[in-house]
Amino acid sequence: AQKITQTQPGMFVQEKEAVTLDCTYDTSDQSYGLFWYKQPSSGEMIFLIYQGSYDEQNATEGRYSLNFQKARKSANLVISASQLGDSAMYFCAMREPNNNNDMRFGAGTRLTVKP
Amino acid sequence: EAGVVQSPRYKIIEKKQPVAFWCNPISGHNTLYWYRQNLGQGPELLIRYENEEAVDDSQLPKDRFSAERLKGVDSTLKIQPAELGDSAVYLCASSLDARETQYFGPGTRLLVL
Repeated sequence: AQKITQTQPGMFVQEKEAVTLDCTYDTSDQSYGLFWYKQPSSGEMIFLIYQGSYDEQNATEGRYSLNFQKARKSANLVISASQLGDSAMYFCAMREPNNNNDMRFGAGTRLTVKP
Repeated sequence: EAGVVQSPRYKIIEKKQPVAFWCNPISGHNTLYWYRQNLGQGPELLIRYENEEAVDDSQLPKDRFSAERLKGVDSTLKIQPAELGDSAVYLCASSLDARETQYFGPGTRLLVL
């Protein structure tokens, strides 16, 4: 069964605007971690932000914030003030301690920032 | 601080040939991962090392894939013989331990002809 679902294969956003990339997950565990990575065309996976399942506040890192809605099992990434350099693939991932701490990735969303 | 280093960045080989990938993790990181990323998909774990020990290799196709992490630092992933379906990006990642954030290298793009 698919553990991580990213329903948006591609997204467009105008430069300087905000964009939300969707991610839903499936787990029966109470303890888990959620991650977002950025993968530019160069291929490297760049860690952006982390949210623990017990964290009461939404994680923020600069222009990145994670809209964590535990009851809905969603962990959407919000990028504020988009820049041309934000154009890339974005992957949502989940790590489950009860599953050997293995990390599972979604299929990704390709974000294109338009000038 | 240097990131995860991988080489080569690109490799083109003919089917049935062997190929090897090398990874140097971030200094001090005990856990090392090899992932395969097929086109249009997210990475999938092949094998995880805790120091020198392979603790999770359930997804590694053992008939043709092998890996080693001598001295608990550098690691190599080998495919012998390569098949057309092995064409993918092979990513190496490391973390302080299995509970910490994983940091990835630039990957090796393999094309099997």
